[in-house]
Amino acid sequence: DTAVSQTPKYLVTQMGNDKSIKCEQNLGHDTMYWYKQDSKKFLKIMFSYNNKELIINETVPNRFSPKSPDKAHLNLHINSLELGDSAVYFCASSQGQNTGELFFGEGSRLTVL
Amino acid sequence: LAKTTQPISMDSYEGQEVNITCSHNNIATNDYITWYQQFPSQGPRFIIQGYKTKVTNEVASLFIPADRKSSTLSLPRVSLSDTAVYYCLVGATMDSSYKLIFGSGTRLLVRP
Repeated sequence: DTAVSQTPKYLVTQMGNDKSIKCEQNLGHDTMYWYKQDSKKFLKIMFSYNNKELIINETVPNRFSPKSPDKAHLNLHINSLELGDSAVYFCASSQGQNTGELFFGEGSRLTVL
Repeated sequence: LAKTTQPISMDSYEGQEVNITCSHNNIATNDYITWYQQFPSQGPRFIIQGYKTKVTNEVASLFIPADRKSSTLSLPRVSLSDTAVYYCLVGATMDSSYKLIFGSGTRLLVRP
């Protein structure tokens, strides 16, 4: 069983489109995250949710809207996609928000043409 | 926010011990030091975490001097499968939210 799973793994789309990436964790964690890794391999936090409540929003454009229907899921919806949104998006989870031990998914590679 | 600095890349050979040092001069009193490993096309994987002195697990050891301004990840007897990017992180607590800042990482290449 995959602990943190994301779908889709690959996503190719045109500029201006809207797309979503889904994430689910079966670890029983109460904190979930979205990270973005660009072409230079820098990994930056975008959002963090604790018990379905947004606790970190790292100055991400409003086009990005996370949604957490329950503790086990954190989805990412992106409107009006731009070329600069091309990256690998990683979902992660942790037991509590005050820990450095995160469990990451395998990533979703988004390519905007 | 505490910023980390680590070598961009390192080369080693199978069976050798590898030590990767990270500097974090502005580490805060409550911050922990965490190391992650990332293989191509995979998400980062937690390796080890420590606060001070030495921590050891089945994978690696982490050495932290008394001033905590640096830390060293030690990988004993590396194998080809240890080729990966290694990230040193320092947790930054802001407004009760614990935020991990990933740096550029160290690309370790293990040669036969």
